[in-house]
Amino acid sequence: DTEVTQTPKHLVMGMTNKKSLKCEQHMGHRAMYWYKQKAKKPPELMFVYSYEKLSINESVPSRFSPECPNSSLLNLHLHALQPEDSALYLCASSHRDREGNYGYTFGSGTRLTVV
Amino acid sequence: AQKVTQAQTEISVVEKEDVTLDCVYETRDTTYYLFWYKQPPSGELVFLIRRNSFDEQNEISGRYSWNFQKSTSSFNFTITASQVVDSAVYFCALSDYTGGFKTIFGAGTRLFVKA
Repeated sequence: DTEVTQTPKHLVMGMTNKKSLKCEQHMGHRAMYWYKQKAKKPPELMFVYSYEKLSINESVPSRFSPECPNSSLLNLHLHALQPEDSALYLCASSHRDREGNYGYTFGSGTRLTVV
Repeated sequence: AQKVTQAQTEISVVEKEDVTLDCVYETRDTTYYLFWYKQPPSGELVFLIRRNSFDEQNEISGRYSWNFQKSTSSFNFTITASQVVDSAVYFCALSDYTGGFKTIFGAGTRLFVKA
């Protein structure tokens, strides 16, 4: 299994809603990432988990809350989002972070619209 | 500071033409990694190649080839005999020691291949 699976593929939510994005991989990768990508822009790193521990938070607002329940799962909990948070949210995994960057395996993303 | 520049915003070619996508990077480190990713309209980012700074050998994979020139800090990507399925946004990316091996992406080059 060489895939990163993200659900849902599309999500529309109101500014008062609470929702979660899910990401799963079964490649034995121990580093997992959340990226945000606005239209016609490159991906921007949000969070890095290494061995199920949060290792990097790129000053992301607290309305985004990541969670890594185990080595295969990564969640992104959303609460009180703003319309400008509408974007493609990409999950990725790799053998490890920091050293020997092996390149990422990306999921197909969740296209989020905040209304 | 780390930086990746993809000066070509959009390129349009006719099928079977060869096309080269340019990538220029900046880093002060001697140890770093360069990547190319493809993002088709479906949204997922597909890893194409990883090159470390100590390996300047050019690489060919089918119709794809990469030219790594440390002297000019460039890592260019050539598609030979382009096909419509090559239409996508292509991102060049860099990770280095000073940046904690966080991957930073260039702005991307949108390639249109017309039949």
